[in-house]
Amino acid sequence: EAGVVQSPRYKIIEKKQPVAFWCNPISGHNTLYWYRQNLGQGPELLIRYENEEAVDDSQLPKDRFSAERLKGVDSTLKIQPAELGDSAVYLCASSRQGAAIEQYFGPGTRLTVT
Amino acid sequence: AQSVTQPDIHITVSEGASLELRCNYSYGATPYLFWYVQSPGQGLQLLLKYFSGDTLVQGIKGFEAEFKRSQSSFNLRKPSVHWSDAAEYFCALTGGGNKLTFGTGTQLKVEL
Repeated sequence: EAGVVQSPRYKIIEKKQPVAFWCNPISGHNTLYWYRQNLGQGPELLIRYENEEAVDDSQLPKDRFSAERLKGVDSTLKIQPAELGDSAVYLCASSRQGAAIEQYFGPGTRLTVT
Repeated sequence: AQSVTQPDIHITVSEGASLELRCNYSYGATPYLFWYVQSPGQGLQLLLKYFSGDTLVQGIKGFEAEFKRSQSSFNLRKPSVHWSDAAEYFCALTGGGNKLTFGTGTQLKVEL
């Protein structure tokens, strides 16, 4: 079984530029999560999808962050414009519906904003 | 509100020595508890989990953890550490929903 796939693995951009991250969850996993992990911290949830629906986006900074999960499979997280404080690792995770307490994580995208 | 505290930011042990990583939690009921490991440039890998029942749980790579309700703790242990265990370890909890709350992590260094 393939794991959660994320791309790119690394991204360096200048502040005020846009950036997008892509995630392909484990096949059959209906629930998808985006986390942000700042240096020296544990991951923090940004948004959770159940199929196509964003059911928890309370921690997503909506002025500059957006996410979508078309067709309930792949997902894209976008930042526009990026700020220096957005430098972090962005992790995607997925789980089966009804077993959301067992989440499987991708390798993450390390974003550096200069 | 739920929270997880990992009081040790860094721990160094010699290869072959025993290991215990501390985790304390705050939650109004019995939580679901997890330990994850993160190697450099990698995502988080689940080591073990506690949902209910036996308070001593076994995980992968020879790790175990013990849930102690009276101490609100879920410490991770390994009897003999290998150099490949060097990584960052995260304790996490959920109340049964989808919100995983992580601790700040413990960086483990293994001396040869």
